[in-house]
Amino acid sequence: DAGVTQSPTHLIKTRGQQVTLRCSPISGHKSVSWYQQVLGQGPQFIFQYYEKEERGRGNFPDRFSARQFPNYSSELNVNALLLGDSALYLCASSLHTGELFFGEGSRLTVL
Amino acid sequence: SQQGEEDPQALSIQEGENATMNCSYKTSINNLQWYRQNSGRGLVHLILIRSNEREKHSGRLRVTLDTSKKSSSLLITASRAADTASYFCATELSANQAGTALIFGKGTTLSVSS
Repeated sequence: DAGVTQSPTHLIKTRGQQVTLRCSPISGHKSVSWYQQVLGQGPQFIFQYYEKEERGRGNFPDRFSARQFPNYSSELNVNALLLGDSALYLCASSLHTGELFFGEGSRLTVL
Repeated sequence: SQQGEEDPQALSIQEGENATMNCSYKTSINNLQWYRQNSGRGLVHLILIRSNEREKHSGRLRVTLDTSKKSSSLLITASRAADTASYFCATELSANQAGTALIFGKGTTLSVSS
């Protein structure tokens, strides 16, 4: 069975640009969450989506937005990129068992 | 903000030795999880221990939980070079039928040399 897949794996943007990251959950998982991991830190929760609805949001500015599609895949959008947005963006899917299944991440570099 | 804090931040050992990592957290929990991350890659779930459990084993892993001290430890026995990774503890930010959101600590970086 395929795990959580994310795309793109790496990307480079300049300040002020916008980026869209994509995630496909494990088949049967309806919950998708997004995390930002800055170098040397643990992942920080950004969003959780379930059945296409936002069910949780971390302490991130409105420049960050996300959505979930009918097939449970998800996109994370970040507008007006700042240097500090450079990070590994991780997507995770889950059932209600508590365990998260992570993708390999999208590494964003903002120049 | 970080809920869990791992200690030590970095740990270097020889193959065959045991590695112990500690995690402290601030608020009451339903469960605590440990994850592993190879350099720059996704996290892999290792073990979940519930608040009414004191110890749990999985292969060479042993996790303990002391809710009175708000702390947990992860012991890896007979370490191998392949255990080189960062290890994170995580507690629930929220958990319901919609799934789980977690708060992670800063992690312990383990280096196992042969």
